[in-house]
Amino acid sequence: TQLLEQSPQFLSIQEGENLTVYCNSSSVFSSLQWYRQEPGEGPVLLVTVVTGGEVKKLKRLTFQFGDARKDSSLHITAAQPGDTGLYLCAGGSGGSNYKLTFGKGTLLTVNP
Amino acid sequence: DTGVSQDPRHKITKRGQNVTFRCDPISEHNRLYWYRQTLGQGPEFLTYFQNEAQLEKSRLLSDRFSAERPKGSFSTLEIQRTEQGDSAMYLCASSLGDGSYGYTFGSGTRLTVV
Repeated sequence: TQLLEQSPQFLSIQEGENLTVYCNSSSVFSSLQWYRQEPGEGPVLLVTVVTGGEVKKLKRLTFQFGDARKDSSLHITAAQPGDTGLYLCAGGSGGSNYKLTFGKGTLLTVNP
Repeated sequence: DTGVSQDPRHKITKRGQNVTFRCDPISEHNRLYWYRQTLGQGPEFLTYFQNEAQLEKSRLLSDRFSAERPKGSFSTLEIQRTEQGDSAMYLCASSLGDGSYGYTFGSGTRLTVV
């Protein structure tokens, strides 16, 4: 069973602060996806990373895939209240039987 | 296309009753997935379809759970003889190809068993 550990589990910060959340595993993934989920809604895809060492930027969000494709991080610059939500990482593998395994998520609250 | 649709959004049922949920994926997506999410947890894989074929079922899916995707379009998830432990958010997602570039999730069905 492939497990993804996310840390921290909870994070409460003030508007304008920077933060980093982490996603770690002992397994190698062919790709890793980050989602954001708001209460009562389904997760929404933010980014997919597929190459070890890859860095992707989405406005104030920076995603990095570890060289060994076992871990990833999400960095948010100058957080805003609209960034509040549950951030989920999901690792995929299995070749033709590809499916995602999710971590438990980091619940981020950005206070105005 | 309006994305992945799930119906109903909320369901309250008494223990022992049967419930059925429906998912309408994005029309051109060939894969459809069911996940379950409880409070404080990430989504847990239940089963998935490629077109009309059910390719994998999680060990989480007891004999009381059954899923279908007739004609490779919409899917239904039925839970028989519901138990309080079945209370959760049931999420449906679809993808083009194997999903390695991302899933599109519906808003989920919140099931409460009383």
